[in-house]
Amino acid sequence: DTVLTQSPGTLSLSPGDRATLSCRASQSVRSNYLAWYQQKPGQAPRLLIYGASSRATGIPDRFSGSGSGTDFTLTISRLEPEDFAVYYCQHSGSSPPFTFGPGTKVDIK
Amino acid sequence: QVQLQESGPGLVKPSETLSLTCAVSGSSISDGYFWGWIRQPPGEGLEWIATIHHPEITYYNPSLKSRVTISIDTSKNRFSLRLSSVTAADTAVYYCARQGGFKETTTWYPSWFGPWGQGTLVTVSS
Repeated sequence: DTVLTQSPGTLSLSPGDRATLSCRASQSVRSNYLAWYQQKPGQAPRLLIYGASSRATGIPDRFSGSGSGTDFTLTISRLEPEDFAVYYCQHSGSSPPFTFGPGTKVDIK
Repeated sequence: QVQLQESGPGLVKPSETLSLTCAVSGSSISDGYFWGWIRQPPGEGLEWIATIHHPEITYYNPSLKSRVTISIDTSKNRFSLRLSSVTAADTAVYYCARQGGFKETTTWYPSWFGPWGQGTLVTVSS
């Protein structure tokens, strides 16, 4: 099974700061199958990035994804008040299980 | 605009079977996408349960496979989840979601989840 590890567990930042979130896979994964989600309290997750670097429909361009192999990154260039949330990476593909990382919480410093 | 809505009992007794349905609107459930179930125990992270592609391609989380069945009803444009022999550890918010795919040579494989239903809390308790 591919295990996803996210770091840091919590990121304390201020509006306007740049956020860099890491997702590391226990084995190399195809970029086509790596996605990022945002979840706010009491809400369902929302797709942000698919294929490691493609923004989903309606996602602001301050969100960007990068990486390949075992190391992937979600970057928020300038945090807006609505960006404080939990972020998950996720992997799927041809061989289950499809796994989620444990999440990174971005909170207000 | 694709929308998904989960429905089912909010309370299930231990050892019984949890049954949930996801109604899909704005898209045909047989239009080529995959469809999946994901759950989230209170205060915890996300766990993928199962995925289906019309008509009969299924993927199951090996940790749950012996207890899970996912199915599609094209006549009602919905898909369903059954989880048997539930325990308190199955208490969670259950989400349904459309799942995109990626084509490798001649075969499509499941990829990202989006959009998601709002989720439904299922509590296992006597």
